[in-house]
Amino acid sequence: AQTVTQSQPEMSVQEAETVTLSCTYDTSESDYYLFWYKQPPSRQMILVIRQEAYKQQNATENRFSVNFQKAAKSFSLKISDSQLGDAAMYFCAYTGTASKLTFGTGTRLQVTL
Amino acid sequence: DVKVTQSSRYLVKRTGEKVFLECVQDMDHENMFWYRQDPGLGLRLIYFSYDVKMKEKGDIPEGYSVSREKKERFSLILESASTNQTSMYLCASSPLIGGQAGGTFGSGTRLTVV
Repeated sequence: AQTVTQSQPEMSVQEAETVTLSCTYDTSESDYYLFWYKQPPSRQMILVIRQEAYKQQNATENRFSVNFQKAAKSFSLKISDSQLGDAAMYFCAYTGTASKLTFGTGTRLQVTL
Repeated sequence: DVKVTQSSRYLVKRTGEKVFLECVQDMDHENMFWYRQDPGLGLRLIYFSYDVKMKEKGDIPEGYSVSREKKERFSLILESASTNQTSMYLCASSPLIGGQAGGTFGSGTRLTVV
């Protein structure tokens, strides 16, 4: 069975600074996808970024980028130039041959002035 | 704009009641999912469905059942609600081919069982 681990229950970052959220996973599959979701207080899960396991290049979406280390089974999210609107719960998730998502326990990100 | 709609945002039920949580998607997705979200535990999969009248157990199916009579609608049923089922429930959908899209989520139903 696949597992996803987020070891940071809470993180804090100052506005305009950079923060990195950690995620590790365990799987025996070779073909899979990894995701970071954002859940603001509105509760709507928003897909932030995704990474295909077969791609060596790290995914980037504007201020959001990942550091994907396949051998280490590590998938961290870097948020640059943090904004107040980035404050939310962030979930790391995995999907493999089945389409179901396996989630980590989440990291609550606070953004301070 | 594509949507997954959950019928209730907040729900309060009594212990022992039969509870229905409804989810409707307008994207013609084959896959639909029900997750439960609890603080410190993340999202855990209760049940999922790959097609009409098809269902498979997720990681925590005990105390729940589901129904999928139409492609667009996936219902979660609490046969006899208990206080330990007080939680946030999230519905999601994704295409059969292309689960790598990650799924589209509803806004959640916060259920309180008293």
